[in-house]
Formats: sequence, structure tokens, C-alpha cells
Amino acid sequence: GAGVSQSPRYKVAKRGQDVALRCDPISGHVSLFWYQQALGQGPEFLTYFQNEAQLDKSGLPSDRFFAERPEGSVSTLKIQRTQQEDSAVYLCASSLEVGTGNEQFFGPGTRLTVL
Amino acid sequence: AQSVTQLGSHVSVSEGALVLLRCNYSSSVPPYLFWYVQYPNQGLQLLLKYTSAATLVKGINGFEAEFKKSETSFHLTKPSAHMSDAAEYFCAVTANTNAGKSTFGDGTTLTVKP
Repeated sequence: GAGVSQSPRYKVAKRGQDVALRCDPISGHVSLFWYQQALGQGPEFLTYFQNEAQLDKSGLPSDRFFAERPEGSVSTLKIQRTQQEDSAVYLCASSLEVGTGNEQFFGPGTRLTVL
Repeated sequence: AQSVTQLGSHVSVSEGALVLLRCNYSSSVPPYLFWYVQYPNQGLQLLLKYTSAATLVKGINGFEAEFKKSETSFHLTKPSAHMSDAAEYFCAVTANTNAGKSTFGDGTTLTVKP
């Protein structure tokens, strides 16, 4: 079966450009997470959706970051007016159910480079 | 609040030797603990998880980890390293008061020498 997919896999943006990163979770998965992974570091939580509801966005670093999951399936992470410090790998993960013990399935990530 | 510390950003072992990757956690409530493996240009894959059942947890590829509350540790071990084990390993903690938001350590890169 298909896993979590993300597109594009690589994105180069000039500083100041807006970008949109897409995540296709495993079909039927209720929970969806976005993480940011800087070079040489572990993933850091950005935001969490339960179906279409964004229940936690405490990790979004600024108001330039916006995420949505309008139909409770595909999610998009948008970064406006990109800055060099936004360069990182953005990981999406989905989980079948709500709950802390459930396995999160990760996509391959989108590597964003801001020049 | 929760945090994870992985001791040693790089670990090198010989093929066939014991693998020990260290993880210490901090959590204000009973934690759930995870180990993930990440191969180059791939997403994270779950190796094993502790969710308050048995303290010794067995995972895939011969890995296991032991939850020690008194030491706030969850070290990952494998009796005999294989070349294919070379990868980056992440320890993560999730408090059981939220819906799965995980806090990750900075990772340990495992190198296996022939």
C-alpha cells in the first residue's frame, strides 16, 4: 500500500518568495503532523491536524507559516516571504488514530533551500 | 514539558559488535518513547516504541530498548551490528496528555565498519 507522500521532494526558493509544500497522508489516517528538520538536528514539531481541524499550531515559528487540511486528507504547508532560516527538510507524518501511543508514518520530506 | 537528549552524535562499531545508542528523556507526565531510524533521503521509520507495557521492548531488525524510569533512560541496543544498520537514529518522547506531538533528540549517526 502507498505510504505518506510529499511533493515536491526538493524546492529552491529565492528569499521573499512564497512556497507551498504538499503532504498526502495514508488514506484513512485521522492525525497529521508537520515537522521541520534543520541540518544536523532532529525533527521539531510544527503543527497537528485531527481530520480537518488544526488542533495545535504551537510549533509554527512565525505568522509566515500557515498549514491547512481542508477536507481532512491532503495537507499543505505554506511559507510566505521565505527567509534563509527557513531552509530545512519539512516532514509530514500521519497516524491512523488519535492518541499518543500510535505510530506515526513519515513521508520522505521536502528539502527547502532558500537562497 | 518534555525533552530528549541523545548522548553521542556519532557512534562507530565494527560489524558483529554490540550497538548501544543512548537516550535520556525528561517528561512531567508518564512518557511514551520511540526510536526511529532514518536512511539518507528517506523519512523516519519506527524501530520500536514503549507505551507503558513491558519495560523491555523488542523492535524490528533485531533492535531492542529498555525503559528505566529511575534513570530516565531508553537506550537502544542490538547484539550484533550489520552493515545495513548504518543510518541515523532518533529517540523521541510523547507525553500522554496530547495527541501525539513528539519531541525528538538530535540524532545519532551509526557507522558500521567492516
